Amino acid sequence: DADVTQTPRNRITKTGKRIMLECSQTKGHDRMYWYRQDPGLGLRLIYYSFDVKDINKGEISDGYSVSRQAQAKFSLSLESAIPNQTALYFCATSEGGENGYTFGSGTRLTVV
Amino acid sequence: QQPVQSPQAVILREGEDAVINCSSSKALYSVHWYRQKHGEAPVFLMILLKGGEQKGHEKISASFNEKKQQSSLYLTASQLSYSGTYFCGTVRGYPANNLFFGTGTRLTVIP
Repeated sequence: DADVTQTPRNRITKTGKRIMLECSQTKGHDRMYWYRQDPGLGLRLIYYSFDVKDINKGEISDGYSVSRQAQAKFSLSLESAIPNQTALYFCATSEGGENGYTFGSGTRLTVV
Repeated sequence: QQPVQSPQAVILREGEDAVINCSSSKALYSVHWYRQKHGEAPVFLMILLKGGEQKGHEKISASFNEKKQQSSLYLTASQLSYSGTYFCGTVRGYPANNLFFGTGTRLTVIP
């Protein structure tokens, strides 16, 4: 099993629908992140969490919300999806310090 | 807050060398480097924590000039497997040591 698992891998949804992207990890890391990747823009931070009780906004949190259900689970929700939220979404975990991030395989979301 | 990477794209023949640069307008605490193959997740290559620190990973190494707020990734004797998009990520140290990624450099190695 992958260290960081994202579901679904692909999703097409209609404008105005609520959608949840899920992320679970077996790394035992406290730090979890949601990034969005758009062509030519790199990865931009949406939300991050350093433990179950700690949730913080990133650069581009408008239109998104998150839930940290457990140390291993961090979900991203789009309350009312819009077409410009079409993107590739990555969940990542980190131990902090001198360690890099471990990314999930991504969720390709299309809002029509 | 995003660091700036250059070049945006580069094409190499096998065996050639390349340098990818990453610069920030803000003081940096550390720099990460990642490689992403098409359709896959970014994979961590290395982190540089101290000014002037150089690290190596096979034939891929990097340097970090803290004063200039710059980092460079060096790929020597490139192989086909090096193809992908390289991202630097910079950490400012506050408010939460979060990683801000550059826009990426697409590297293509051809036979």
